[in-house]
Amino acid sequence: DAKTTQPNSMESNEEEPVHLPCNHSTISGTDYIHWYRQLPSQGPEYVIHGLTSNVNNRMASLAIAEDRKSSTLILHRATLRDAAVYYCILRDVPRLIKAAGNKLTFGGGTRVLVKP
Amino acid sequence: DAEITQSPRHKITETGRQVTLACHQTWNHNNMFWYRQDLGHGLRLIHYSYGVQDTNKGEVSDGYSVSRSNTEDLPLTLESAASSQTSVYFCASSPRGFGEQFFGPGTRLTVL
Repeated sequence: DAKTTQPNSMESNEEEPVHLPCNHSTISGTDYIHWYRQLPSQGPEYVIHGLTSNVNNRMASLAIAEDRKSSTLILHRATLRDAAVYYCILRDVPRLIKAAGNKLTFGGGTRVLVKP
Repeated sequence: DAEITQSPRHKITETGRQVTLACHQTWNHNNMFWYRQDLGHGLRLIHYSYGVQDTNKGEVSDGYSVSRSNTEDLPLTLESAASSQTSVYFCASSPRGFGEQFFGPGTRLTVL
């Protein structure tokens, strides 16, 4: 699986935007970029994913570099509830139903601290 | 509402005992996964299943087994618990294909 590199931690003030970078220089043409987050004492939860174009949903935005070697997760207005570990994960599109691409390979993630 | 549950939420056991952790989902998802999470490591895949009677080994499968007799459940069994298996265990499920994974609340297992 192609690997991702994220900073260990980031701090933000409440109500301000947070930009979480992710480097994936060995990404292949069929790798989707997924983001999950894990709140304290909970299981991970899906945030967003994309392939080439920028994506927006109710939780966040995903900005993907033109060469796809990096991406940025954007939390537009951080709240205290956004304090979590954010994981950037590459997933290949499975060619078969049983293909290994359905698995998630988690790295260390970025721990986000939101200050009131 | 559909959900995924794990039981027990906390378990203390002794070295050498057999332990089974339960995972139950009501989404009718084909895919189910077991991960473990330890300090200093991200989540690591133990076993996964893409449907009834299908099971596959993940990256840290030694000492663990699973069976899938129906769509809703994927129990994880530690055949002979070891202290190195003290961890937090997460179960997840996803629809057939490329859907997002939904995680359970986790089971904290301590092996003394």
